[in-house]
Amino acid sequence: DSGVTQTPKHLITATGQRVTLRCSPRSGDLSVYWYQQSLDQGLQFLIQYYNGEERAKGNILERFSAQQFPDLHSELNLSSLELGDSALYFCASSELAGNGNEQFFGPGTRLTVL
Amino acid sequence: QQQVKQSPQSLIVQKGGISIINCAYENTAFDYFPWYQQFPGKGPALLIAIRPDVSEKKEGRFTISFNKSAKQFSLHIMDSQPGDSATYFCAALNTGTASKLTFGTGTRLQVTL
Repeated sequence: DSGVTQTPKHLITATGQRVTLRCSPRSGDLSVYWYQQSLDQGLQFLIQYYNGEERAKGNILERFSAQQFPDLHSELNLSSLELGDSALYFCASSELAGNGNEQFFGPGTRLTVL
Repeated sequence: QQQVKQSPQSLIVQKGGISIINCAYENTAFDYFPWYQQFPGKGPALLIAIRPDVSEKKEGRFTISFNKSAKQFSLHIMDSQPGDSATYFCAALNTGTASKLTFGTGTRLQVTL
């Protein structure tokens, strides 16, 4: 158990809908990362927050957004969902923002868009 | 643009054998190279990591070999066990500019009895 929690574990929804994925980092970790894992794209970095502020952005679609709250939990919002958004979404956390600080991954949220 | 290439895609090794997974990177600014292990239904977990100032790092049965000039690094699993059956991802990071991990495509390892 990494100490990172993600809810829900599974989400099934329809195209065009909007969903919110939630992540609670390990106690004491200030940095949160979101990754998408799909069969064709592998593990792709989406976005990073550090202590409430956006720190780095990867291949995140404009339909997707994220935020980190004062209690350090983070939410990933996915809107206007398409079939291709079906994937595993992982949240990871680390104590600091960089310098190879070990990232601890949560168990993921499996999103299925029908 | 795939910046970290990983091979093989899948690997079958007998119990007690050596599993070898290779990765190559393009971005010379990468300076931290972790390997992650992922079991079905779980998130990736850090296995071992190396920085380019050393050519080898060993932790138990797991060894990373690093060749800076060739921009390649590999994971060796000695005395492979059925419990090692998982998907392994190499990754790379530029610690100076960002914290995002760039992952390889993964290797599915199966260790048979």
